[in-house]
Amino acid sequence: EAGVTQSPTHLIKTRGQQATLRCSPISGHTSVYWYQQALGLGLQFLLWYDEGEERNRGNFPPRFSGRQFPNYSSELNVNALELEDSALYLCATPLGRNTEAFFGQGTRLTVV
Amino acid sequence: AQSVTQLGSHVSVSEGALVLLRCNYSSSVPPYLFWYVQYPNQGLQLLLKYTSAATLVKGINGFEAEFKKSETSFHLTKPSAHMSDAAEYFCAVMSRGGGADGLTFGKGTHLIIQP
Repeated sequence: EAGVTQSPTHLIKTRGQQATLRCSPISGHTSVYWYQQALGLGLQFLLWYDEGEERNRGNFPPRFSGRQFPNYSSELNVNALELEDSALYLCATPLGRNTEAFFGQGTRLTVV
Repeated sequence: AQSVTQLGSHVSVSEGALVLLRCNYSSSVPPYLFWYVQYPNQGLQLLLKYTSAATLVKGINGFEAEFKKSETSFHLTKPSAHMSDAAEYFCAVMSRGGGADGLTFGKGTHLIIQP
């Protein structure tokens, strides 16, 4: 069974551009969490998608958005990139409502 | 709101010595607790979890953690450190009410193993 997969592994963008990051959850699971791991800030909760709907979002500006597709894969979009958006973006699939989440390898976004 | 505090952003131990990584949580009710490990340029891997069964939880790679409600702690230990244990370790909490906020993480502890 494939785990959580993310693409691309690395992404370099210029300030002001848009970035699109992709995540496929563990097969058969409908939920996807997105986290940002910026240097010195730990992991910050970004977004939660379940059954195709956005269920919750963290304390991030609206230029961070996303969606979940019918096959439960998800896309994170970051518009008007800023230097501070440089971080490792992690996607995770929770196994159930109150259980652990399994993480992908992440996408390293660098904004120059 | 729940929160997690990891004492010590960096911990250094000698190979073969005891590893102790500290984690305290703040939550109105005992939550679910997790320890994850992150190796350089990789995602997070689950080490162990506490979900209200035994308070002493054994995980992978020889790690274990003890849930102490009175101290609101969930410290991670390993009797004998190995060079391969060098990594970033994260303590995380999830409320029993569900995963609306996903996992709340501590800021992480970088474990350094001295030869």
